[in-house]
Amino acid sequence: QQPVQSPQAVILREGEDAVINCSSSKALYSVHWYRQKHGEAPVFLMILLKGGEQKGHDKISASFNEKKQQSSLYLTASQLSYSGTYFCGTEGSRNAGGTSYGKLTFGQGTILTVHP
Amino acid sequence: DAGVTQSPTHLIKTRGQHVTLRCSPISGHKSVSWYQQVLGQGPQFIFQYYEKEERGRGNFPDRFSARQFPNYSSELNVNALLLGDSALYLCASSSFTGYPISNQPQHFGDGTRLSIL
Repeated sequence: QQPVQSPQAVILREGEDAVINCSSSKALYSVHWYRQKHGEAPVFLMILLKGGEQKGHDKISASFNEKKQQSSLYLTASQLSYSGTYFCGTEGSRNAGGTSYGKLTFGQGTILTVHP
Repeated sequence: DAGVTQSPTHLIKTRGQHVTLRCSPISGHKSVSWYQQVLGQGPQFIFQYYEKEERGRGNFPDRFSARQFPNYSSELNVNALLLGDSALYLCASSSFTGYPISNQPQHFGDGTRLSIL
């Protein structure tokens, strides 16, 4: 089952903050975050494993609430280079049922545009 | 170090034809996964191969097949092409050595843009 991302699109000015959310209807083992610029390959940002951890990468961080089956990506003091489409990818827990264990299922993406 | 390389970069085919897409993983990576990305959507999982064996399969028809070679490179084959097969096909490699799959990041190639006329 595909995770749902929100918002679908967000427009920022340089220096502003943004939050992108990713929700699943199934129990999750992990959440991946990737950024894809137009015409380019998706680039890995970070992985969050179940355990409620929070990770950071420069001014980009993320949290994972396994009980709510949700993850959020936080972009602070945005830069022009942050523009792109952000995807979350989820792997279901082994006992979640279905076929989500053993593969990454990506959301539909959130388009982030940062203006000067 | 070279990243994931895919060939060709672009391909135009007609309905009913067959296509073969190729992928070379990052050196040292033994796992290759294939994804289909339709414009405006996230990548959709097709296959995962590890040590030349299929380890995962997405919800795609039997017209889609793949294999992995002893050097860990991989081919994706699609038979009887349909208009709906037009998409960007992404290959990703990882240092996966066992489940769960998502302990390791996926490193994507630039993809093959397939257009069906």
